[in-house]
Parts: sequence; C-alpha cells; structure tokens
Amino acid sequence: DAGVTQSPTHLIKTRGQQVTLRCSPISGHKSVSWYQQVLGQGPQFIFQYYEKEERGRGNFPDRFSARQFPNYSSELNVNALLLGDSALYLCASRRPGTSEETQYFGPGTRLLVL
Amino acid sequence: EDQVTQSPEALRLQEGESSSLNCSYTVSGLRGLFWYRQDPGKGPEFLFTLYSAGEEKEKERLKATLTKKESFLHITAPKPEDSATYLCAANSNSGYALNFGKGTSLLVTP
Repeated sequence: DAGVTQSPTHLIKTRGQQVTLRCSPISGHKSVSWYQQVLGQGPQFIFQYYEKEERGRGNFPDRFSARQFPNYSSELNVNALLLGDSALYLCASRRPGTSEETQYFGPGTRLLVL
Repeated sequence: EDQVTQSPEALRLQEGESSSLNCSYTVSGLRGLFWYRQDPGKGPEFLFTLYSAGEEKEKERLKATLTKKESFLHITAPKPEDSATYLCAANSNSGYALNFGKGTSLLVTP
C-alpha cells in the first residue's frame, strides 16, 4: 500500500507570497493532520481534519488555513509568508473509528522563504 | 500543560554498544506514546505505539517500554544504519494532536 504522499517536495518563496501544500493520506485513512518542523525541533501541530471538518488547531496564526476534500486529501495554505515560516511541513494520516491511535507521516514539503 | 522531554539531546555510540533513550511525559490522560525515527530531511518513520504502563514492544534491535511517567527506547548492539534522530510523542484525551519532544540525535560509529 502506498504511504502518505505530499507535494511538492521542495518550494522556494519570497516574503509576502502565498503557498499551498498538498497531502494524500493512506488509503482508508480519513483523518489528516499537519505539522511544522523547524530545524533541530520536534514537529509542532498545526491542524487536524476529519470528514472535511477541522477537529483541532495548534497555536498558529490565522495566516495558516487548511481544508480536506471528499477523497480525504488535504491542502495547507499559508498567506503572507514570513522568513520564520521556513520549515519542513509534514502531513500525517490516521484511521479514526478504531482503537489505533498511530499517525503515519509523509515525506514532507521543505519550504524556504527568502 | 502537556509536555514531552527527551534525553539526551545527542548520543554517540560505538557499533555494538547498547544504550537507552529517555522520554519523560506530562500528559493529562495519555491516549498513546509514540516513537518515530527520522532521517535528515525526511518525514518521521513510525516505530512503536504504547498505550499503557508496563507495555513493551520490540522490533529488531529496538525495544520500547512505558511507565506512568517515562518511556525508554532501548537499542541493543546498534549498527551504523541505526544512526538517526529518534522522536517521542504523546497525545492525550483532549485530542489527537501529537505533542513531540525535541528528539535524540543518535550516531553509531563503526
């Protein structure tokens, strides 16, 4: 089975621009979460979506938004980019409705803001 | 406030030299404790999920254990290919968001 996929793999933007990152979960997984990982730190939770609804939000500004589509894929949007938004953005999927809590991560999108 | 702390920050081992990585957690109502391996520039790779104190899981040279306050990742006779950053995370009854530690960077030399 294919794992979580993310696109693009790398992205370079300038301050003030907007970016959209994409994620496809593992087949059968209906919940998608987004995390930001800056160099030398553990991933930080941004959003969780399940059945196209936002089910959780981390401590990130309103410049960050996301959505989930009927096929359970997801997009993360970041507006008015700042230098500090440079990071590895990770998507994780999970199969809700079971006792299985494990989230499986994709390869990430490396965003560099100049 | 939920908190996950990993130690040491970095660890250098000789090939075959066994050791343990520590993960201390303060979480109200633990749902699960997770270990991941992360290679540079890549996404975290799932290793283990532990749900209750006393639980243990093993995979090749790795063994994860859980108490009410800590989890340990024991590495037996490590090889150079075990070099990576090992991340610990926990989630609580308040939601499914994973709260990560900063990780332990492991280097195994031949």
